Amino acid sequence: AQTVTQSQPEMSVQEAETVTLSCTYDTSESNYYLFWYKQPPSRQMILVIRQEAYKQQNATENRFSVNFQKAAKSFSLKISDSQLGDTAMYFCAFMKHQGAQKLVFGQGTRLTINP
Amino acid sequence: NAGVTQTPKFQVLKTGQSMTLQCAQDMNHEYMSWYRQDPGMGLRLIHYSVGAGITDQGEVPNGYNVSRSTTEDFPLRLLSAAPSQTSVYFCASSHASGVSYNEQFFGPGTRLTVL
Repeated sequence: AQTVTQSQPEMSVQEAETVTLSCTYDTSESNYYLFWYKQPPSRQMILVIRQEAYKQQNATENRFSVNFQKAAKSFSLKISDSQLGDTAMYFCAFMKHQGAQKLVFGQGTRLTINP
Repeated sequence: NAGVTQTPKFQVLKTGQSMTLQCAQDMNHEYMSWYRQDPGMGLRLIHYSVGAGITDQGEVPNGYNVSRSTTEDFPLRLLSAAPSQTSVYFCASSHASGVSYNEQFFGPGTRLTVL
């Protein structure tokens, strides 16, 4: 079975700073997908970024980028030039490449951006 | 497009009562699923469906039933509510194939309290 671990329950940074959220996972699969989801106070789950394990290049989406280390089973999220609207819970998630689209989530990191 | 809709947004039940959480999507997604979110545990998969008439169990299926008679709807039934089922419930949907096939769209959630 796959497991996803987020070791930082809470983080807090000042607006405009850069922050990195950590995620590690355990799997015996060779090909899979990794995701970061954002959950603001509205409770809506929003996909931030997606990485395919067979791609060497780290995914980027505007101010959001990942550092994917396959051998270390590490998948961190970097938020550059943080904004007040980035305040949210962030969840790391794993999905096998083949078969049903079952997401396995980490425990989440509560990120607060201070003005 | 309304996306993924869930009703009700909030519900309070007494132990032993039954109820159905509704989920509908208008994106013609083949894949639909139900997750529950508990504090400190992230989201966990309850049941999922890969198409009308096809359902399967996820990680935490006990106490819940599902059926999928149409592509659009995927209701979740609590047969005899227990306090351990107090949680926030999310429905999600995605395409089964194509460029964005594993991008799951989430509904706004239902907060359920069982007394």
